[in-house]
Amino acid sequence: DFLMTQSPLSLSVTPGEPASIACRSSQSLLHSQGYNSLDWYLQKPGQSPQLLIYLGSNRASGVPDRFSGSGSGTHFTLNISRVEAEDVGVYYCLQPLQTPLTFGGGTKVEIK
Amino acid sequence: EVQLLESGGGVVQPGGSLRLSCVASGFIFDSYAMNWVRQAPGKGLEWVSLISGSGAGTYYADSVKGRFTVYRDNFKNTLYLQMNSLRAEDTAIYYCAKDSREPNYPYNYYGVDVWGQGTTVTVSS
Repeated sequence: DFLMTQSPLSLSVTPGEPASIACRSSQSLLHSQGYNSLDWYLQKPGQSPQLLIYLGSNRASGVPDRFSGSGSGTHFTLNISRVEAEDVGVYYCLQPLQTPLTFGGGTKVEIK
Repeated sequence: EVQLLESGGGVVQPGGSLRLSCVASGFIFDSYAMNWVRQAPGKGLEWVSLISGSGAGTYYADSVKGRFTVYRDNFKNTLYLQMNSLRAEDTAIYYCAKDSREPNYPYNYYGVDVWGQGTTVTVSS
């Protein structure tokens, strides 16, 4: 199974400042055709998860361009260029490559 | 509007059974694989099961294998999760979620892009 490890566990950010979340996989998520099988999801307080980024770096429909994903193989990063109040919640990475699908433990983002 | 609506949660005693349902609307249901994902109180997300669009392929987390069964009725646009031999550790919010991996992952994949609002299962005596 793929073990997904996120860091940090929590983050307190001043509005307008950048934020970065790391996700590491125990095995490479790089597909033979060059795609990285890594998604990012945000679960806002009291809500269902929502898709932010798929295949490592592709923003989902409607996701603001302040969110970006990068990385390859086993190391990935979600960057928020300028955090806004609406970005609070728990961020999860997910490897959808093989069953069992596995999520990272989550990173809680709060506003200072 | 693309929508998923779960139901069937409730309180059940250890060893009991429940069947969850997820009604889909706004998309061609049988063209998409579907997931069940759960979240125990105060915990993170845990993938439970995946079923292919046709229903022919089913996959489970080790924690539920042999106890839970996923199936779908594509005529009714409905996904199900039959949960037997329930344990206290199965207590969670259960979400159904639309998966874009078919027909040819990863070339057309664009994420687990639609999630339901969740239904709560509590296993307690």
